[in-house]
Amino acid sequence: DVVMTQTPVSLSVSLGGQTSISCRSSQSLVHSDGNTYLYWYLQKPGQSPQLLIYKVSNRFSGVPDRFSGSGSGTDFTLKISRVEPEDLGVYYCYQGTHYPYTFGAGTKLELK
Amino acid sequence: EVKLLESGGGLVQPGGSMRLSCAASGFTFTDFYMYWIRQPAGKAPEWLGFIRNKANGYTTEYNPSVKGRFTISRDNTQNMLYLQMNTLRAEDTATYYCARAVVRWGQGTLVTVSS
Repeated sequence: DVVMTQTPVSLSVSLGGQTSISCRSSQSLVHSDGNTYLYWYLQKPGQSPQLLIYKVSNRFSGVPDRFSGSGSGTDFTLKISRVEPEDLGVYYCYQGTHYPYTFGAGTKLELK
Repeated sequence: EVKLLESGGGLVQPGGSMRLSCAASGFTFTDFYMYWIRQPAGKAPEWLGFIRNKANGYTTEYNPSVKGRFTISRDNTQNMLYLQMNTLRAEDTATYYCARAVVRWGQGTLVTVSS
């Protein structure tokens, strides 16, 4: 299975601040069709995960431009700028390139 | 508006069976791959598998961790997705979500496997 390693495990950030989360995969996530199926989700307390970023760097509908994704191959980053209270929760990366599809262990974003 | 509503969770004894349902609305059901994903309390989600759309013949893929015990099916006349779970174990205890591809998830249904 592809192992998705997220760092850090937790983050403490001030409102209005900026932060980033790293996700590394144990093998390249470039699919044979040329796409890289790397996604980012946010799970707010008591809710199901919601899609933020698809295919590395594309913001899903309605996601603020404070969120940005980047990376390639095996190294990926989610950046959050101007952090707002609604951004708090657990962030997961997810790969949909290799079966079985797998998630990272999560990064908890908390207020400083 | 896309809606996904899971049902059928609850308490089941080890070795037992359970069928989860997911009622879908707000989109053309046959156009989409439909997924099942589970999440033990306090842990990361786990992809269980999916069933493809009409254009891809409604075929299935499974996580080896559940292959042979779990079966995904769909009723396209009723816009329903199902997860049949057999020979359940304590480690299958989790909240189970259906999802429209990778995009929209339901609110989940809790399955507890315990004697």
